[in-house]
Amino acid sequence: EAGVAQSPRYKIIEKRQSVAFWCNPISGHATLYWYQQILGQGPKLLIQFQNNGVVDDSQLPKDRFSAERLKGVDSTLKIQPAKLEDSAVYLCASSLAPASVETQYFGPGTRLLVL
Amino acid sequence: AQKITQTQPGMFVQEKEAVTLDCTYDTSDQSYGLFWYKQPSSGEMIFLIYQGSYDEQNATEGRYSLNFQKARKSANLVISASQLGDSAMYFCAIRQGGKLIFGQGTESSVKP
Repeated sequence: EAGVAQSPRYKIIEKRQSVAFWCNPISGHATLYWYQQILGQGPKLLIQFQNNGVVDDSQLPKDRFSAERLKGVDSTLKIQPAKLEDSAVYLCASSLAPASVETQYFGPGTRLLVL
Repeated sequence: AQKITQTQPGMFVQEKEAVTLDCTYDTSDQSYGLFWYKQPSSGEMIFLIYQGSYDEQNATEGRYSLNFQKARKSANLVISASQLGDSAMYFCAIRQGGKLIFGQGTESSVKP
């Protein structure tokens, strides 16, 4: 089966510009996650969706980051305006359900560089 | 709050030998799940192995095995018969609710 798809793979922008990332989860996976991975660190959860509802966005910087999953399938993460410290890899993951035994499967990530 | 600690910054292992990557965790939950992921230079996080806190046997998946010591709160990954393609960053993670809490990772480099 197809894995998690993400685009673009790379993006370079200047600070204060806006950027959007797209994710399409594995077919049938109800739960979708966006993680931010800063260089040299492990991924950190930004937001979790269950179908098209937000389950956890406690670590999402809501003054500049937004995310949506309108039809419960693919999702978009937006940054506006971008800051230098937003330079990171943005990973999308999905799982069948949020239960403790469900494995999260990750996409290839989008590498963002903010100049 | 749950926490994962990976103290080995980098490891070198000879091809065909085994390597152990350390992971300790901190949690007050009785039920939890521990995961190991591999991240090659391409950036994708690849799921390797899962251990549930109530599993009595150590998890194994092919060349990967998890040395789970619940009392010591450790969940070390053992990779046997290392291959050149095993060179990557390895992340240990614990599930908190629906999200994964990751450690800082350990880089493992396989030498021919």
